[in-house]
Amino acid sequence: EVQLVESGGGLVKPGGSLRLSCAASGFTFSSYSMNWVRQAPGKGLEWVSSISSSSSYIYYADSVKGRFTISRDNAKNSLYLQMNSLRAEDTAVYYCARGARGDDAFDIWGQGTMVTVSS
Amino acid sequence: IQLTQSPSSLSASVGDRVTITCRASQGISSYLAWYQQKPGKAPKLLIYAASTLQSGVPSRFSGSGSGTDFTLTISSLQPEDFATYYCQQLNSYPPTFGQGTKVEIK
Repeated sequence: EVQLVESGGGLVKPGGSLRLSCAASGFTFSSYSMNWVRQAPGKGLEWVSSISSSSSYIYYADSVKGRFTISRDNAKNSLYLQMNSLRAEDTAVYYCARGARGDDAFDIWGQGTMVTVSS
Repeated sequence: IQLTQSPSSLSASVGDRVTITCRASQGISSYLAWYQQKPGKAPKLLIYAASTLQSGVPSRFSGSGSGTDFTLTISSLQPEDFATYYCQQLNSYPPTFGQGTKVEIK
């Protein structure tokens, strides 16, 4: 079964750091681009970051540039999001999502992990 | 690129035909996807490349459009279709989402 499972969310104080992980299974992880998308409570979807299959291309939303770092380990079938200098507005459910073959959709999504930034 | 969905919400009955519109602030060819999200769940891909149905998605869902104007149509609304629907453009970074359309029971 094709599956993505996020972990690493939790409660963190403003200015703190957190590292999210996404474990992939059921497909050849190294062949696909991967993405992080977040959703603040009661709000819509916001793209956060993307990484190509070989990590050659990396993109960030302006709202997280310079604070978040996306990475992947194809040997471990894992995607990561290192989040530093966290702010209250980063509070959200964070989803990892697989880029479809033609990079024309996000075709597989994880269940999400909640990040709460609060003092 | 900004995506504007309309309406933001709608009330409909089982069996109704429902149409949701997504307008892009500039041309995006056919690089548009539609997702369905139910409360507490992850989004689910319904349509990609503006009109291609994702495997396993019921044929009552269809998409059309190119350039700046796109539509998602549900031909006969079913109880399990009550959810929020999002469009997303993948023509260029950042891959933005529309604000969502909530489909509620009338």
